[in-house]
Amino acid sequence: AQSVTQPDIHITVSEGASLELRCNYSYGATPYLFWYVQSPGQGLQLLLKYFSGDTLVQGIKGFEAEFKRSQSSFNLRKPSVHWSDAAEYFCAVGNNAGNMLTFGGGTRLMVKP
Amino acid sequence: DGGITQSPKYLFRKEGQNVTLSCEQNLNHDAMYWYRQDPGQGLRLIYYSQIVNDFQKGDIAEGYSVSREKKESFPLTVTSAQKNPTAFYLCASNPDRGAGYTFGSGTRLTVV
Repeated sequence: AQSVTQPDIHITVSEGASLELRCNYSYGATPYLFWYVQSPGQGLQLLLKYFSGDTLVQGIKGFEAEFKRSQSSFNLRKPSVHWSDAAEYFCAVGNNAGNMLTFGGGTRLMVKP
Repeated sequence: DGGITQSPKYLFRKEGQNVTLSCEQNLNHDAMYWYRQDPGQGLRLIYYSQIVNDFQKGDIAEGYSVSREKKESFPLTVTSAQKNPTAFYLCASNPDRGAGYTFGSGTRLTVV
């Protein structure tokens, strides 16, 4: 069975600082991996996804993520955080059919001015 | 523009009542999903449907029911058997493998 762990429930960073959100997954084969962002009271928006190819993927809003098979990780990064990035972030892993995602528990990002 | 529409945005229910949450998509996606979100608990899968007239229970299906009579629609009924229905409900759809889900904007259900 597939699973996802986001070790950090809350993270606070200063505006302009760099950001890294951690995601570890468990899956037997090459996984589909996703990062989503959720603003309060809203649905989830896809930031980026990975299945194959270059292990560093670029997404929307200046985010990127790196797939590391040896560490079973897919961490999300942003070089300079903006106040509007404050939200909850979810990592997800998909099965080999790509039609069933399992989500991590989420990381709530707060941005200090 | 294509997307998923969930309605209503806010819903209040008296104890003992059934309520139905609407989810409509015009993306021509085959698969649709319902999730429940509670503070600090992430997303939990209630039901999903990979094709019209077929659906499967997720991890927390007790107290809920669904139908999939049309490709575009996947309504969720929260029955009186659901003991703690107050939550944020999210509907999603998926076009094919690896594309990732598209989510609606959610319905917040409160029992009064």
